[in-house]
Amino acid sequence: GAVVSQHPSRVICKSGTSVKIECRSLDFQATTMFWYRQFPKQSLMLMATSNEGSKATYEQGVEKDKFLINHASLTLSTLTVTSAHPEDSSFYICSASPGTEAFFGQGTRLTVV
Amino acid sequence: QKEVEQDPGPLSVPEGAIVSLNCTYSNSAFQYFMWYRQYSRKGPELLMYTYSSGNKEDGRFTAQVDKSSKYISLFIRDSQPSDSATYLCAMSRRAAGNKLTFGGGTRVLVKP
Repeated sequence: GAVVSQHPSRVICKSGTSVKIECRSLDFQATTMFWYRQFPKQSLMLMATSNEGSKATYEQGVEKDKFLINHASLTLSTLTVTSAHPEDSSFYICSASPGTEAFFGQGTRLTVV
Repeated sequence: QKEVEQDPGPLSVPEGAIVSLNCTYSNSAFQYFMWYRQYSRKGPELLMYTYSSGNKEDGRFTAQVDKSSKYISLFIRDSQPSDSATYLCAMSRRAAGNKLTFGGGTRVLVKP
């Protein structure tokens, strides 16, 4: 299957700081990527759709000013958690599709202390 | 009511048994159906992808879709301890570039 790479896999940051998470499609181009959030023992919740060259589309209840998404190229989307707080601690996962199937990155575990 | 329902388990089976997983959904617009396996603290891994109703087999995995009943299944034959994971069903209305709606996931434990 296609490869989606996410970096970093784990990050610990202080409350009030910002954290950037990268999502790359390694062997295909993706005009659309998706960002999900997953709490322990729960399923994936879609946060936003990242569109190359245009603004991201956010799901209801997701603060676009807190979760900044930039899809500057066909192989890279970034999610920046701004002014992070402990309640933002979670597992963040991106996905992209080379065709019909969706492939996921390894996920980023964010801990805000 | 959630769009996609999935029993959270845990489902515990002995090694070598058949694992049977299923999801029900309410939105008849879903056309594409997927099963993912997720190990703890890892991203989901695509196992099976099917379009519309029917069966699909790949090695030890068989996926079934019954659109008339809004019911999908995944069967794992000859289960191994390495199959212990959380299994997520997902579905979408369109193909490429469309967002997925996930079930809650079923935790499976295969005991040696």
